Formats: sequence, C-alpha cells, structure tokens
Amino acid sequence: NAGVMQNPRHLVRRRGQEARLRCSPMKGHSHVYWYRQLPEEGLKFMVYLQKENIIDESGMPKERFSAEFPKEGPSILRIQQVVRGDSAAYFCASSWGTSYNSPLHFGNGTRLTVT
Amino acid sequence: KNEVEQSPQNLTAQEGEFITINCSYSVGISALHWLQQHPGGGIVSLFMLSSGKKKHGRLIATINIQEKHSSLHITASHPRDSAVYICAVGGDSGGSNYKLTFGKGTLLTVNP
Repeated sequence: NAGVMQNPRHLVRRRGQEARLRCSPMKGHSHVYWYRQLPEEGLKFMVYLQKENIIDESGMPKERFSAEFPKEGPSILRIQQVVRGDSAAYFCASSWGTSYNSPLHFGNGTRLTVT
Repeated sequence: KNEVEQSPQNLTAQEGEFITINCSYSVGISALHWLQQHPGGGIVSLFMLSSGKKKHGRLIATINIQEKHSSLHITASHPRDSAVYICAVGGDSGGSNYKLTFGKGTLLTVNP
C-alpha cells in the first residue's frame, strides 16, 4: 500500500522556466493538499483539491501558480516563470475525508531550486 | 505573532532522557497534529488529536483545549528521534482539518 508519492524529489529550474510538481495520493484518498516550506520558515498551506475541483486556493499566490487534480492521474502543482523566491520544499498530503478523524498522510516533498 | 507557538526552538538531550515539546495556539481548532520531519526528508504524521491523550510506542501527545496547549513527550529518547517536530492546528470550519497552521518546529538532537 504505497504512501503519498511525489516526484520529482529534486527539481532545478532557471528563472523564467516552468516547474511541474506531481503528487499521487494514497489509494482511496480523494482529498489532496499542497503546502510550501520556504527556507528557514514554517510550512504554509497553499491549496486543497478534490477530484477535478479546487476547494480552497486561498494560500496560493494569485499569479504564476496553479493546481489541478484531474479525474485520472496525479495532482499537479504548476509554477510558471519561476523566480528565485519560489525555491522551497513543496509537500503534498492526502486524506480520505475532511473530518478530524481522517488523518493526513504526507509525501516526501519536492525540493525546487531556482537558479 | 504566530498563531501557533512552539517551545523550545532547539532541544539537545542525552540518550534515554525524557523529552517534552510544547505547543500553544491562539485560534479555535478542530484538531491538532504533531508531525516529524527528518533533515531533507519527508513529513510523517505522528498524532492527530482533538482532546485528551494519545500514545504510540514511546511517544505521548496530550492536549488541553481550554488552555489551548498541547505537549509531545518522548520517553527513553534515542538518537534516531533526532528530527524537527512540528505542531499544526486545523481550523474549526465544519471540522475540516486540511487548512493547517503550522508552528516553526522544534529541532531535537539526541546524543548517544
């Protein structure tokens, strides 16, 4: 029973390029969450998705960032025209429900470095 | 002021010692999470609790809702417990636990 799978583990992009981060939730989980961990800072919520729907994107920058969770395939966090400030670890988590008795399972993260 | 405060920020212990990490929060919550993150590694969810106390192996987590305070205890600490421990709280909107607010973490180092 595989856990939450994120890839790539490490991603290097030059300023202005696009970054695509993938997250496959645990089997049976239809709720996906993305969090960002900036260097020397704590984790911050970015976006919450269910299959084919964005439920809450209040933590995601309005420009250059987008997220999707299609009917088939992994959830994708897309960052267009990356800048150095986007360098961070991006974590995905999944759960089967949203109530307090449905625990979150985290992936190993994608470390994005913008040069 | 961060809505979730952890103390201490850094903690060094000798193998076998009893460890306590504290977390205070200022918002209403539906659940509190304790997470573990090894350097350069992923995040592991240790506990999710909304009241009382939970125990898993050498780890114990308690929460006092009235005082808005939680503690994570590690008994008989071991060098492999060295990691960052993060407290996170989930909002009280309909019991949803997804929109977590995180503390800055406590870096624990256990020396042999």
